[in-house]
Amino acid sequence: AQSVAQPEDQVNVAEGNPLTVKCTYSVSGNPYLFWYVQYPNRGLQFLLKYITGDNLVKGSYGFEAEFNKSQTSFHLKKPSALVSDSALYFCAVRDTQGNNRLAFGKGNQVVVIP
Amino acid sequence: NAGVTQTPKFRVLKTGQSMTLLCAQDMNHEYMYWYRQDPGMGLRLIHYSVGEGTTAKGEVPDGYNVSRLKKQNFLLGLESAAPSQTSVYFCASLSPTYEQYFGPGTRLTVT
Repeated sequence: AQSVAQPEDQVNVAEGNPLTVKCTYSVSGNPYLFWYVQYPNRGLQFLLKYITGDNLVKGSYGFEAEFNKSQTSFHLKKPSALVSDSALYFCAVRDTQGNNRLAFGKGNQVVVIP
Repeated sequence: NAGVTQTPKFRVLKTGQSMTLLCAQDMNHEYMYWYRQDPGMGLRLIHYSVGEGTTAKGEVPDGYNVSRLKKQNFLLGLESAAPSQTSVYFCASLSPTYEQYFGPGTRLTVT
């Protein structure tokens, strides 16, 4: 079965510093990978995806992610974190057996310290 | 264009009561999903639908039923609520480019 792992529960970063949120995946076949963000008391919002093409994908709010097939990783990055980036971040992988189901990681709480 | 909407936003039930959560989307998406979110467990898929008139079980379907009589609506029912069903429930629909659009959520407490 497809799965993703987000090894850190919380990531603390100072405002202006680079932000990295880690994700590794396990999937049979070619992965479709996604990052979503959830602000307090809100639904999830799509940030970016990797389906095919360039390993570095760019998304909303200045975020980007690097697909690394050899390390089975899809880490989310932002060069300079903002306090407003404080939120819960979810990595997800599409089920390759069809029906477009997503398997989500447990989420990473990002805290950007002013 | 409202996207995905959910009603109600909050609900408190007593054990054994029933209720229906309504999800509506105005983007003409075929696929729709119901998830529950619990602390430290991410999102877990309850049921989903690949089109009008179809439903299928997800990861945690027990105690829930669903219906998709119209393409734009996806209903989640709890026949006999239990405290273990206290959670935040999210509905989502899938765009043709594989992005899921989520509703704002329903916070359900079962006492």
